[in-house]
Parts: sequence; C-alpha cells; structure tokens
Amino acid sequence: GESVGLHLPTLSVQEGDNSIINCAYSNSASDYFIWYKQESGKGPQFIIDIRSNMDKRQGQRVTVLLNKTVKHLSLQIAATQPGDSAVYFCAARPVGATNKLIFGTGTLLAVQP
Amino acid sequence: EPEVTQTPSHQVTQMGQEVILRCVPISNHLYFYWYRQILGQKVEFLVSFYNNEISEKSEIFDDQFSVERPDGSNFTLKIRSTKLEDSAMYFCASGAMGAGNEQFFGPGTRLTVL
Repeated sequence: GESVGLHLPTLSVQEGDNSIINCAYSNSASDYFIWYKQESGKGPQFIIDIRSNMDKRQGQRVTVLLNKTVKHLSLQIAATQPGDSAVYFCAARPVGATNKLIFGTGTLLAVQP
Repeated sequence: EPEVTQTPSHQVTQMGQEVILRCVPISNHLYFYWYRQILGQKVEFLVSFYNNEISEKSEIFDDQFSVERPDGSNFTLKIRSTKLEDSAMYFCASGAMGAGNEQFFGPGTRLTVL
C-alpha cells in the first residue's frame, strides 16, 4: 500500500528565510505528487505538483524536489513570508489508483516576524 | 476565480441521524471527490465520482455512506446513521481531469456528532 509521512510536525522559520518541508512516501510506484497548503479553517489549497518522471519543478517562490531513489519529496519556499504560515501536506497518487490521493500527516510552518 | 463551495459550514447532529453534506463543484469539472479530516489528523480519501458513478472508494466509505449528483451542479455526501467517530471536517474537491491533475478543494463542512 501507500503511506505518506512527514519528517517534522512543526517548522519554525524567520521571515525572509527559506523553508524546506520534507515528506517520505512508501510506495515506489507512486506516479504523481502534490503539495497542499491548509490555513486554519480552510480547505487544502494546491501549491505545486510533480510527476514521477521529473526530479524538480519550480513555481512562484516554491520548488518541489523528488528523489525517487530514497522516496523523498520536499517543498522549498523561498523568502518565507508571514502569509506562508499554515499546515503543509504532501499527497501521492499510488499507481493503479485512478483518483485517490494519499495525504501525509502535515507540517505546521510557523513564520516568525 | 471559480471555487468549490460547501454547505453547511458546520453541521451538528445526534448519533444515529442522517446527514447530507452539500457541495457545488467548479462548473466545468468532471471529477468529484469527498475527503475527511478528523481533528488533528491527516486528510483521508473517501470516494471519487465520475460519469455519474463511483470510480473509487476507500474502506472508510462503507454502506452508511453514499454520494449523489442529483442535478448536474450539486454533489452530495449522505451518511445514513451517523456515529460519534464520523465527527470530522468533510472536504469536497473537484477536478477537470483525473487525480493525475490538480484537485480543487472546498472550505469544508465541520460535522459534529453528539
């Protein structure tokens, strides 16, 4: 089966610093990964995704790195801002699952001013 | 910007009662999902729906749960006889394509079973 877990439950960073949030997955056959941001009282908000045929993908201030060898996914946020404070989830789609996403437990990112 | 909406935002019910959670997906989307999140835990997949039928469901989605797209715009989740452990945030999501592409989440309905 697939399980997705996060290395650290809480990450505290200073405003302006770069943040790195990590995630491990168990099923090496997962072919699609997403990072979501969830603010208090809101639903998950899509940040960035990556397919298993890629190692890196960049968005606006965010970069996702995929290391299939060690089954590790990371989200890098450049110049972290107070508005980035939220819980960040990684999610993976197991191969063979047409629609299901398996979510990790979440990392709380706290940005200190 | 189009968004997924959900009603009600908070539903309180007695154990054993039926509840219907409502969602209006983004209008041109074809794939619809329900997830739940028990307080302090991860988001869990419940069910996906495409072409007017369930395409995939988790072990959580037992006979007490059902989904329906009654009128081409709404997407509902029904729990026939609620249990205390059904208390959670329930998120609806929709997507233009399958799960290999972005799913847009609604704000959630908080279900409290007393």
